[in-house]
Amino acid sequence: EAQVTQNPRYLITVTGKKLTVTCSQNMNHEYMSWYRQDPGLGLRQIYYSMNVEVTDKGDVPEGYKVSRKEKRNFPLILESPSPNQTSLYFCASSLGRGASYEQYFGPGTRLTVT
Amino acid sequence: AQKVTQAQTEISVVEKEDVTLDCVYETRDTTYYLFWYKQPPSGELVFLIRRNSFDEQNEISGRYSWNFQKSTSSFNFTITASQVVDSAVYFCASSMDTGRRALTFGSGTRLQVQP
Repeated sequence: EAQVTQNPRYLITVTGKKLTVTCSQNMNHEYMSWYRQDPGLGLRQIYYSMNVEVTDKGDVPEGYKVSRKEKRNFPLILESPSPNQTSLYFCASSLGRGASYEQYFGPGTRLTVT
Repeated sequence: AQKVTQAQTEISVVEKEDVTLDCVYETRDTTYYLFWYKQPPSGELVFLIRRNSFDEQNEISGRYSWNFQKSTSSFNFTITASQVVDSAVYFCASSMDTGRRALTFGSGTRLQVQP
């Protein structure tokens, strides 16, 4: 089944404790992206990747890191999480790099930082 | 930069009513794409439709229809004969072919369909 998977789905952590949210897609998609969803703000892009080893900042990159060592994986790293990073996170992928391709979203990871 | 406005924060209707969700976008690009996504209570994001800026044809898919009007920069979504299963948050989004190819989302409209 074609899908984007994220792990974990739920995470409660404390300020400053490094964490990684994994994202994997099995559709051989070139473009991958991370978004965060906050009430009243819709979804905002954190980082994106056009292809392996090519990543760049989105709208709200502060406090996050990513890597794209393989085409299928695009982990999101929070080196020192803070409470303002409490949010719902979505990984997405699309077949091509053009904006016309719809992005397929993972199930979401709900992160709480205390 | 692009901007998407969904002025309706929450709409409540009774089953079988028709409902229209408004979406107004702003862009300086001549080539852009518009999308609607559905987020049911389970939380996932479900792609509904994509429209490019050169195609102003309205689209109908079952009980769903979309009205794209460049003259008013709007891309409205109508659900005919709403059902309880339509209860969800609906997001309108746009993207352009340059730069990050990011989706710019509106803030969403929560639709509640009462039985």
